[in-house]
Amino acid sequence: ILNVEQSPQSLHVQEGDSTNFTCSFPSSNFYALHWYRWETAKSPEALFVMTLNGDEKKKGRISATLNTKEGYSYLYIKGSQPEDSATYLCAFRPRSNDYKLSFGAGTTVTVRA
Amino acid sequence: DSGVTQTPKHLITATGQRVTLRCSPRSGDLSVYWYQQSLDQGLQFLIHYYNGEERAKGNILERFSAQQFPDLHSELNLSSLELGDSALYFCASSPPGVTGAFFGQGTRLTVV
Repeated sequence: ILNVEQSPQSLHVQEGDSTNFTCSFPSSNFYALHWYRWETAKSPEALFVMTLNGDEKKKGRISATLNTKEGYSYLYIKGSQPEDSATYLCAFRPRSNDYKLSFGAGTTVTVRA
Repeated sequence: DSGVTQTPKHLITATGQRVTLRCSPRSGDLSVYWYQQSLDQGLQFLIHYYNGEERAKGNILERFSAQQFPDLHSELNLSSLELGDSALYFCASSPPGVTGAFFGQGTRLTVV
């Protein structure tokens, strides 16, 4: 299992504030990095697929950047809203024959009104 | 709808029993992953199958086993169940290439 780490494990944000958190992954043999949004008792929902160094993706108030050379990705939430409360998972896919996905443990975001 | 089907949605069983959870991946997806989410725990990786072969094992107990059949559906077998096995079990499938994993709705297992 490849080491994919997310930090912090959890964070609390005041409504309207912006926040960001990190996903670290092996920098060698990179193929793709995925971000998922996971609400309690629901199944994870795909946010972004990132494949190129320097990639930036945006979906509403959520955006992500990718640095494959140093092995990290940031997820940003601008102007956090209570509905942004969820666990955000990243998953690393190396270049391999079976395209195995390795998930981080997630960052749980709680937005306080 | 992700296209990944898990059955049953809910399962209540007694300690010591054995259950089988089923996952039908999206058409054409060769990879199937099983995950467990216990109370206050994140997504714990259990096992990964690719085209019928086991490719990676995570924190899967010896009482648990899985397999992927020629038609690519997968089953997770949980035996000698304990109260602590109560959890939400997710299956995900993914195709080759950059596309990520698609998750089923999960099976909620309650051991009483």
